[in-house]
Amino acid sequence: DSGVTQTPKHLITATGQRVTLRCSPRSGDLSVYWYQQSLDQGLQFLIQYYNGEERAKGNILERFSAQQFPDLHSELNLSSLELGDSALYFCASSVAVGGLAAGSYNEQFFGPGTRLTVL
Amino acid sequence: QQPVQSPQAVILREGEDAVINCSSSKALYSVHWYRQKHGEAPVFLMILLKGGEQKGHEKISASFNEKKQQSSLYLTASQLSYSGTYFCGTEGGGTSYGKLTFGQGTILTVHP
Repeated sequence: DSGVTQTPKHLITATGQRVTLRCSPRSGDLSVYWYQQSLDQGLQFLIQYYNGEERAKGNILERFSAQQFPDLHSELNLSSLELGDSALYFCASSVAVGGLAAGSYNEQFFGPGTRLTVL
Repeated sequence: QQPVQSPQAVILREGEDAVINCSSSKALYSVHWYRQKHGEAPVFLMILLKGGEQKGHEKISASFNEKKQQSSLYLTASQLSYSGTYFCGTEGGGTSYGKLTFGQGTILTVHP
């Protein structure tokens, strides 16, 4: 158990719908990352938030958006869903070990994932 | 750009060794290694930093060749529990700090 929680575990919905995935990071972790894992695209970085602010953006579609709240939990919103959006969505959290010093690093702990099926 | 992992798949018997490689065309700040079992979340194995530092939590070793932007994960005396898909995640410096780009994965199967 990584300490990162994600809800729901499974989500089945229809094309065109909108869903919200929720993530609670480990206690004390300020960074939250969202990843999409599908069979054909592998594990793809979507977006990172640090203490409520967007920090880095990856291959995130315009139909997708995310935010991190003051209590540090994060939500990923997926709208106008298409069949190709079916995937496992992981959230990860991290704390920078070493702060901003040279040699610092971010060890990311992944949540159990939300499996989204779009029919 | 996505790092390239090799081999794509490895089949071992318990006790045998394996090496998984990860190559990037970009200058890297760090390389992260994860193992994922089917239907589960990726689990952190090791991180290698530019400058040679290694941080890991398991009895697994790895190397990072900064000149070639390559990393190798060494699995020795494999156990059944080592089976899974291994991913390398590469992290650039500067504005790419914190953003991991994952390779396509290497499937490792360990048989009794």
